[in-house]
Amino acid sequence: KQEVTQIPAALSVPEGENLVLNCSFTDSAIYNLQWFRQDPGKGLTSLLLIQSSQREQTSGRLNASLDKSSGRSTLYIAASQPGDSATYLCAVIIQGAQKLVFGQGTRLTINP
Amino acid sequence: NAGVTQTPKFQVLKTGQSMTLQCAQDMNHEYMSWYRQDPGMGLRLIHYSVGAGITDQGEVPNGYNVSRSTTEDFPLRLLSAAPSQTSVYFCASSYSGGVPQHFGDGTRLSIL
Repeated sequence: KQEVTQIPAALSVPEGENLVLNCSFTDSAIYNLQWFRQDPGKGLTSLLLIQSSQREQTSGRLNASLDKSSGRSTLYIAASQPGDSATYLCAVIIQGAQKLVFGQGTRLTINP
Repeated sequence: NAGVTQTPKFQVLKTGQSMTLQCAQDMNHEYMSWYRQDPGMGLRLIHYSVGAGITDQGEVPNGYNVSRSTTEDFPLRLLSAAPSQTSVYFCASSYSGGVPQHFGDGTRLSIL
């Protein structure tokens, strides 16, 4: 059974710092991996989607990497801002399946 | 273009009552799904649909029914509400199966 783990569960950093969020998964046979952002009381917003054949994706200050062999993905946020405060979730699609398997999320707080 | 719309946003039920959570999307997406989000457990798939007239079970389907009579709508029915179904419910849709790109804002459901 595919399991997705995100560490740490919560992270608080001062504004302007670069930071890394971690995601690990137990089964390397994934179709793709997706990072989402969730604001309090809101739904999920897709940030980056990495296909299984890719190693990384970038969008603005965000960079996500994927290492299938080690079962790991990282989300790098450059020059963090208070507006980046949210919960960040990673999810994997298993090959041949029709669902996302989510991690429990990392709650990020950026302090002004 | 409203995206994915969920109603109601909040609901309190008594044990044994039934209700329907509504989900509608205006993007002509074929794939729609329902997730529940519980503290410490991430999002888990309840049911999904790959097109009108086609539905299938996800990870936690017990106690819930779905139908897909149109491309736009995918209602989730609680047959006899139980306290264990207290959760936040999210509906999602996408162009292609297995990659929910658009999430609704959720329905917060409490069962007393």
